[in-house]
Amino acid sequence: ETGVTQSPTHLIKTRGQQVTLRCSSQSGHNTVSWYQQALGQGPQFIFQYYREEENGRGNFPPRFSGLQFPNYSSELNVNALELDDSALYLCASSLGPPDDTQYFGPGTRLTVL
Amino acid sequence: QKEVEQNSGPLSVPEGAIASLNCTYSDRVSQSFFWYRQYSGKSPELIMSIYSNGDKEDGRFTAQLNKASQYVSLLIRDSQPSDSATYLCAVKVAGRRALTFGSGTRLQVQP
Repeated sequence: ETGVTQSPTHLIKTRGQQVTLRCSSQSGHNTVSWYQQALGQGPQFIFQYYREEENGRGNFPPRFSGLQFPNYSSELNVNALELDDSALYLCASSLGPPDDTQYFGPGTRLTVL
Repeated sequence: QKEVEQNSGPLSVPEGAIASLNCTYSDRVSQSFFWYRQYSGKSPELIMSIYSNGDKEDGRFTAQLNKASQYVSLLIRDSQPSDSATYLCAVKVAGRRALTFGSGTRLQVQP
């Protein structure tokens, strides 16, 4: 167990809807990264938050947005859901620079119909 | 060319054998390297990190890094059926926040 928690575990949405996924980082970790993992692929970086600021972003459209709160928990919001958004969404927490080791939570499985 | 490449497998080894998993990367300013294990339907679990050329051992696992040849490998000694999983190689490039993952190698340990 990494101490990173995510909710919900599973989610089913229809195309065009909006979704919010939540993550609580490991105690003492101030950095949260979000990844999308499609079936049979490695995780793809969405963005990272460090001390409540977006600290890097991958090749995802603006309808993917996020927040980090003062307690370092984080949200991932996805608007205008598309079928291709169906994936496992992973949150990873880390101590922050210079330590770049990332520990993953259990993930949220999103299905878009 | 993908930034991080792994053979998708499956790699099948008998119980008790050494499993050797390989990963190559393209960016020469890569600075940190990680191996994760992912069981079917679960999230990635960190096995090891390695930062310097050479070998790093942790129990039955040994990570090997060769920056000149741009490859990193993971050896699993005395493989057990419980080691059957997908092994993900991840690389962090200097100045970037992201970990870049390969697609993973599926390992099957036959009892």
